Amino acid sequence: EIVLTQSPDFHSVTPKEKVTITCRASQSLGNSLHWYQQKPGQSPRLLIKYASQSISGVPSRFSGSGSGTDFTLTINSLEAEDAATYYCHQSNSLYSFGQGTKLEIK
Amino acid sequence: QVQLQESGPGLVKPSETLSLTCSVSGDSIRGSYWAWIRQPPGKGLEWIGYFYYGGTTNYNASLKSRVTISADTSNNQFSLNLNSVTAADTAVYYCARVVGTFDIWGQGTMVTVSS
Repeated sequence: EIVLTQSPDFHSVTPKEKVTITCRASQSLGNSLHWYQQKPGQSPRLLIKYASQSISGVPSRFSGSGSGTDFTLTINSLEAEDAATYYCHQSNSLYSFGQGTKLEIK
Repeated sequence: QVQLQESGPGLVKPSETLSLTCSVSGDSIRGSYWAWIRQPPGKGLEWIGYFYYGGTTNYNASLKSRVTISADTSNNQFSLNLNSVTAADTAVYYCARVVGTFDIWGQGTMVTVSS
């Protein structure tokens, strides 16, 4: 099983700040790494697929990068509505998720 | 617009079988892969398994001995059966469409295992 480790587990940030969340895989994924946003009481929402591909309807301040074992989700100019938990997810070998990064807006 | 809706009992007794159904609208279950994912209260996401109408199924190794996912094409639904449940199976259960990744999710249904 491929293990995904996100960092940090928790991040408290101010609006308009730039945020970076990282995801490290226990083995190479190529680019088969995806990012989700989950707000309390809601289903996860796909933000980025295949490491860097944008999703229709997702604000352009969300972007992804990386390949192999190291990936990054970047949120430029953070907004209050971005308070949520963010998960990375791999589809290279069956499926698994990172443990999540909770983003708090100060 | 593709929509998924989970349904089933919200309470299951220990050692019994958890059974859920996912109703799909806006897409045919014959045309994609479909999956179940769960999330214990306050915890992260766990993939349970997926199926493809052509006959392919695959399950999380940690649950494989207890899980079955099957399709009901006449109603455009698919189902999850998880047997011998314990309190550790208490979670929100989601169904999702798989197009490379889990691109569309249902709203989720909470299942509590308790006597």
